[in-house]
Amino acid sequence: EVQLVESGGGLVKPGGSLRLSCAASGFTFSNAWMSWVRQAPGKGLEWVGRIKSKTDGGTTDYAAPVKGRFTISRDDSKNTLYLQMNSLKTEDTAVYYCTTVSALMVRGVLSYGMDVWGQGTTVTVSS
Amino acid sequence: SYVLTQPPSVSVAPGQTARITCGGNNIGSKSVHWYQQKPGQAPVLVVYDDSDRPSGIPERFSGSNSGNTATLTISRVEAGDEADYYCQVWDSSSDHPEFGGGTKLTVL
Repeated sequence: EVQLVESGGGLVKPGGSLRLSCAASGFTFSNAWMSWVRQAPGKGLEWVGRIKSKTDGGTTDYAAPVKGRFTISRDDSKNTLYLQMNSLKTEDTAVYYCTTVSALMVRGVLSYGMDVWGQGTTVTVSS
Repeated sequence: SYVLTQPPSVSVAPGQTARITCGGNNIGSKSVHWYQQKPGQAPVLVVYDDSDRPSGIPERFSGSNSGNTATLTISRVEAGDEADYYCQVWDSSSDHPEFGGGTKLTVL
């Protein structure tokens, strides 16, 4: 069974840092593209960023609101995805989900979806 | 960025058909995915590539996509289908995925 388990959330002051982890099991993690998606209280889903598999270059990409402050990394030996969050703002308060990513051409169109989601970890940024 | 527009809410009686729309400029040229999020739970992919279902998702869930509107259709709605539903596409202009604002499905 494919499973993603996030951890590391908590309460942090504005300007502080936090590192989230996502432990993966049930699939070949090293081959997978992974992403982080967040959901502020009472709001919709917001894509945070993505990391490709090392065989596909291992590159990262980020949404504009977090670019330069957040860093996604992976440790394939531990089947674990990370989200390092620095210079946190109150608007970063959200539940953070890690997801697997499926990206392939379907009928000539890029299909980019998030197949499996973890249960989420809550980050609260408040003084 | 590419804007996806969903109705905030849809209501339907049990046993009836619910249709949740997702509007976007020429969305018919994109691949649309739908996620179901029940209260207090993580989202679950229910339809991908406009109309395909992941394993384990009931056949009552179906999708279509044409022109400027994609639609998630839930047939024979059950109380357990009450949830928020989000559409999502890849935005080629920003090179990022985009989510719709979500639709709350209420089963009367």
